[in-house]
Amino acid sequence: EVQLVESGGGLVQPGGSLRLSCATSGFTYSSYWMNWVRQAPGKGLEWVANLNQDGREKYYVDSVKGRFTVSRDNAKNSLYLQMNSLRVEDTAVYYCVRGGQPFLWGQGTLVTVSS
Amino acid sequence: QLVLTQSPSASASLGASVKLTCTLSSGHSNNAIAWHQQQPEKGPRFLMRLNSDGSHSKGDGIPDRFSGSSSGAERYLTISSLQSEDEADYYCQTWGAGIWIFGGGTKLTVL
Repeated sequence: EVQLVESGGGLVQPGGSLRLSCATSGFTYSSYWMNWVRQAPGKGLEWVANLNQDGREKYYVDSVKGRFTVSRDNAKNSLYLQMNSLRVEDTAVYYCVRGGQPFLWGQGTLVTVSS
Repeated sequence: QLVLTQSPSASASLGASVKLTCTLSSGHSNNAIAWHQQQPEKGPRFLMRLNSDGSHSKGDGIPDRFSGSSSGAERYLTISSLQSEDEADYYCQTWGAGIWIFGGGTKLTVL
């Protein structure tokens, strides 16, 4: 079965750090661009970051540049998002999304940044 | 600047058809887009990729009631024979220079 399963979300104080993981299965992970997309409570979808198949090409939305780092381990079929210097406005459900055809969404993991 | 514009809301009756619109910003009328559906309290689901010529490829298990079309900078999602489970938020999305852009979403109400 093709699936993406996120983990690592939780409650963290402003200024803190969190590492999200996305475990994939059922497809050739190393052949796809991978993305992180988030959704703040009651808001729309916002793309956060992505990287290419070998992890050498990375892009970020301006609001997370310098604070978040996306990475992947093709041997473990996994995607990661290291989030540092977290802010209240980073509170959201974070989704792992496979690019290409067809796109594929994980179920999401909730990150809450609050004191 | 690459921007996608969607109407915030739409409504149609059970069994009827509805056409949702996503408009690409100037200079980007050749971009392909993707349509995604998000039902209440659920994660998003990929519906289809839609090209500028109107050709589209749907995700696994997406019913034939969902179709896409294009005209200039406009990209459309048509849902026919509306069912209650079609009540959802619909997002268009495109990509360029490595980044992804989402439209603001259209909330579809099935009356």
